Amino acid sequence: EAQVTQNPRYLITVTGKKLTVTCSQNMNHEYMSWYRQDPGLGLRQIYYSMNVEVTDKGDVPEGYKVSRKEKRNFPLILESPSPNQTSLYFCASSSPTSGSYNEQFFGPGTRLTVL
Amino acid sequence: ILNVEQSPQSLHVQEGDSTNFTCSFPSSNFYALHWYRWETAKSPEALFVMTLNGDEKKKGRISATLNTKEGYSYLYIKGSQPEDSATYLCAFEETSGSRLTFGEGTQLTVNP
Repeated sequence: EAQVTQNPRYLITVTGKKLTVTCSQNMNHEYMSWYRQDPGLGLRQIYYSMNVEVTDKGDVPEGYKVSRKEKRNFPLILESPSPNQTSLYFCASSSPTSGSYNEQFFGPGTRLTVL
Repeated sequence: ILNVEQSPQSLHVQEGDSTNFTCSFPSSNFYALHWYRWETAKSPEALFVMTLNGDEKKKGRISATLNTKEGYSYLYIKGSQPEDSATYLCAFEETSGSRLTFGEGTQLTVNP
């Protein structure tokens, strides 16, 4: 089954404790993105990657890191989480080079709470 | 940062009502306009990708139109059902493969 998976789905942590949210897709998509969703603000892109070892900042990259060492994986790293990073996070993949435009295939989401 | 706006922010209708909402986007450098449906506790799923001025797409009771010259798209739901309750997101793709800029969404609630 074609899918994007994220882990963990739920996480409660404390300020300053480094964490990683994993994202993996099995559709051989070139593009992957991380978004956060906050009430009243819609989906905002954090980082995106157009291929292995190619990443770029989105609209709200502060406090986050990413890496793209393999095509299928795109982990999101919070080196020192703060309460303002409490949010719902979505990973997405897409394949605009295959003629499907940049239609996003979303993972199930990770709800993060930073105390 | 591109400006993509959706209205209304929320909408409550009765079962059987028809409804519509709007997405406005920059009218220059248009490549595609995406509509997504996002049900509570699930992830957003693509409804339509619209690319040509005057495009009209339909999926069951849901349809969408596109006006790239004036920079807006309408989403219509005919005979709303409770299962249509969701947040409807539009997203603007400025150039081929560029990242999407999302609107804040319209939250639709259909009361039985």
